[in-house]
Amino acid sequence: EVQLVESGGGLVQPGGSLRLSCVASGFPFSAYWMSWVRQTPGKGLEWVANIYEDGSQKYYVDSVKDRFTISRDNAENSLYLQMNSLRTEDTAIYYCARDNFGGYFAHWGQGALVTVSS
Amino acid sequence: VMTQSPATLSLSPGDRATLSCRASQSINNNLAWYQQKAGQAPRLLIYGASTRATGVPARFSGSGSGTEFTLTISGLQSEDFGVYYCQQYFDWKMFGQGTKVEI
Repeated sequence: EVQLVESGGGLVQPGGSLRLSCVASGFPFSAYWMSWVRQTPGKGLEWVANIYEDGSQKYYVDSVKDRFTISRDNAENSLYLQMNSLRTEDTAIYYCARDNFGGYFAHWGQGALVTVSS
Repeated sequence: VMTQSPATLSLSPGDRATLSCRASQSINNNLAWYQQKAGQAPRLLIYGASTRATGVPARFSGSGSGTEFTLTISGLQSEDFGVYYCQQYFDWKMFGQGTKVEI
């Protein structure tokens, strides 16, 4: 059974940093692109970033470029999202998701809540 | 841009639900549909515009190509009420704003 478990969410002040983690199991982690997708009441679902199987390619939505960094450790079956210079509009539930061939998401984690507020 | 309509669909168990998703430019058949219930992550229903994901009941069907897509739920059951999102994966990945199916 595919499982994705996020951790690392919490409350942070504007301008602060936070690192999300996602541990994967039940599939060959190193054989799949992986993504972070976030959800806010106002903007709905928004793809944030994804990373190639070996970590050599990374892509970001414009609103997080130069602030967020996606990475992975295939030996640990883990995906990460380093979030710096956080803004109030980054407040959201962040989901780890497995990219299926082509770019849809067949498997999602349970989500990690990130709240950016003073 | 992905535009879903209607925003809300009020139906009764046993009804047929028809949800629409329109892309601002052609995305071929690179479209997925998801169901989300309160407090849960989205669940993949359909990919490739019309292929049901593993374990998805046959009452869910998807159709369309290019810019116009439809998700049909034939014979709504109580567990089908929730929010449905479309997502294109032709050009990056973008979600629609959702259609709430309520009783």
